[in-house]
Amino acid sequence: AQKITQTQPGMFVQEKEAVTLDCTYDTSDPSYGLFWYKQPSSGEMIFLIYQGSYDQQNATEGRYSLNFQKARKSANLVISASQLGDSAMYFCAMRQEAGGFKTIFGAGTRLFVKA
Amino acid sequence: GAGVSQSPSNKVTEKGKDVELRCDPISGHTALYWYRQSLGQGLEFLIYFQGNSAPDKSGLPSDRFSAERTGGSVSTLTIQRTQQEDSAVYLCASSLDGGRNYGYTFGSGTRLTVV
Repeated sequence: AQKITQTQPGMFVQEKEAVTLDCTYDTSDPSYGLFWYKQPSSGEMIFLIYQGSYDQQNATEGRYSLNFQKARKSANLVISASQLGDSAMYFCAMRQEAGGFKTIFGAGTRLFVKA
Repeated sequence: GAGVSQSPSNKVTEKGKDVELRCDPISGHTALYWYRQSLGQGLEFLIYFQGNSAPDKSGLPSDRFSAERTGGSVSTLTIQRTQQEDSAVYLCASSLDGGRNYGYTFGSGTRLTVV
């Protein structure tokens, strides 16, 4: 069955430092996509980054990069040079081809950036 | 429109009443999704519409929940005989292609409180 696991309910990072948010997934489908979303206290969900299961290189979007380790079924988000505005909930999500494009979300990690 | 629009933003209803939540997706987006987020929790998939295909209703928690999408655009999520456990933020999202290579664009949500 499809499953997303985020084991860090909360994380602290010092401003300007890098932080890694963990995500592991479980699927038997060879074709899937992995996503990260940010949810600030305002409640909106903001798409950050996407990684396809067949992509050879790790995805990067500005200060965000996705450390994709397919054999380990992990898709960790790395935020470089943290900013105070990065404080938010972060959700890892997976969509698999089989059964349509339903996307499931992990429980989230709350990131606190300290000045 | 420029973004995904949801209405109302807040709804307080008495237990046992019916409620309708509306979602107006981004123009041209063929895929539309409803998710539910309980306080401090991740997102729970409810239903997915893709073009003219039959919707994926596999996430609807009970037969009190239903949704329709008229003309491939606006969607309405209806909850009949509301219960206190239905209290949550209901999020709507849309995407161009089922989210294959793009993340979803989420609305700001409807916060439903059943008293």
